[in-house]
Amino acid sequence: GAVVSQHPSWVICKSGTSVKIECRSLDFQATTMFWYRQFPKQSLMLMATSNEGSKATYEQGVEKDKFLINHASLTLSTLTVTSAHPEDSSFYICSARDRLSYGYTGELFFGEGSRLTVL
Amino acid sequence: GENVEQHPSTLSVQEGDSAVIKCTYSDSASNYFPWYKQELGKGPQLIIDIRSNVGEKKDQRIAVTLNKTAKHFSLHITETQPEDSAVYFCAASKPGNQFYFGTGTSLTVIP
Repeated sequence: GAVVSQHPSWVICKSGTSVKIECRSLDFQATTMFWYRQFPKQSLMLMATSNEGSKATYEQGVEKDKFLINHASLTLSTLTVTSAHPEDSSFYICSARDRLSYGYTGELFFGEGSRLTVL
Repeated sequence: GENVEQHPSTLSVQEGDSAVIKCTYSDSASNYFPWYKQELGKGPQLIIDIRSNVGEKKDQRIAVTLNKTAKHFSLHITETQPEDSAVYFCAASKPGNQFYFGTGTSLTVIP
């Protein structure tokens, strides 16, 4: 299947700092990328939908000023957790859908996830 | 919106036995149903999927069945092996829409 690369795989930061997580589609172009947050032993919680060249669409309850999403190209989306606090500690996962699947329900491929720990 | 329910939440089977995980969905317009396997500390990996124009799909020890009338689909794993132990998620989607995930099933294969 297609490859989605996510970095870093884990990061530890101090409270108040900002952390950037990158999500790249390596062998396909993705007009849409999704960002999820996952708590231990729970399902994936969609945070936002990232569309190339336009503003991200955030799910209800997700602070857009807290979780900044940029999708500057067809292969890269970034999630920046601003002024991180311990309650932001979580597992963040991105996913991407092949651009060619527009109008067709294409496969969704996931990155390996990023474990964020805020001290 | 779509609502996907998944059962059971946990499942333990003896090595070599079969495992079945079931999901139901609410939106009759959903037409794509993937299954993902997530190992500890990793992102979900697509293992098999089925589209609404097909009733069953098989890939070696893994199979998925779809009943559009009843709006449910199931994952079947035969001859289970310890490396099949993971959390499995079902999902439902339609063109141009997000994916809706089930709550996950933690499968343990006992050697």
